[in-house]
Amino acid sequence: EAGVTQSPTHLIKTRGQQATLRCSPISGHTSVYWYQQALGLGLQFLLWYDEGEERNRGNFPPRFSGRQFPNYSSELNVNALELEDSALYLCASSPGLAGYNEQFFGPGTRLTVL
Amino acid sequence: GNSVTQMEGPVTLSEEAFLTINCTYTATGYPSLFWYVQYPGEGLQLLLKATKADDKGSNKGFEATYRKETTSFHLEKGSVQVSDSAVYFCALSDYGRGADGLTFGKGTHLIIQP
Repeated sequence: EAGVTQSPTHLIKTRGQQATLRCSPISGHTSVYWYQQALGLGLQFLLWYDEGEERNRGNFPPRFSGRQFPNYSSELNVNALELEDSALYLCASSPGLAGYNEQFFGPGTRLTVL
Repeated sequence: GNSVTQMEGPVTLSEEAFLTINCTYTATGYPSLFWYVQYPGEGLQLLLKATKADDKGSNKGFEATYRKETTSFHLEKGSVQVSDSAVYFCALSDYGRGADGLTFGKGTHLIIQP
């Protein structure tokens, strides 16, 4: 069974640009979560999508947004990039609510903002 | 709000030593508890989980017991190997608050020396 996949592996942008990160969940999983792992800040919850809808978001500004497609894959968009957006962005999927099911993580996209 | 506290390390041990990584949590509802491991350059892998008080999660020689009275979920292994060198994250998911995503500790960097 294929795991969670993310693309690209690395992404380099300059301040003010937009970045688009992609995630494909495990087959049969309907929930997709995005996390930011920034140096010194640990792992922080960004967004949760389930059945095509945004269900919840963490304490991040609106320039972090995304969507979930009918095939349950997901996109994370970061607009007006700032230097502090440099981080590893991890996507995770689960069959449903996190309270009942563990989340399975992808390898991440390393975003560098210059 | 929810929070997870764990020792950050680095924790350096010799091969075959006994390992304990402490984890305590604060949650408003009825959390499930997880330990994830992150090997260098990779995403997170679920190591073990426990969904209710007094449950013991175990995998690959690691174990942790969900202690509601002390709000703890300490990770233990009787004899560590060099291949256990990684960053370990304690996390919780609080169903009582809805699916907010996982709340992570800051991670403990474990270094095992031959």
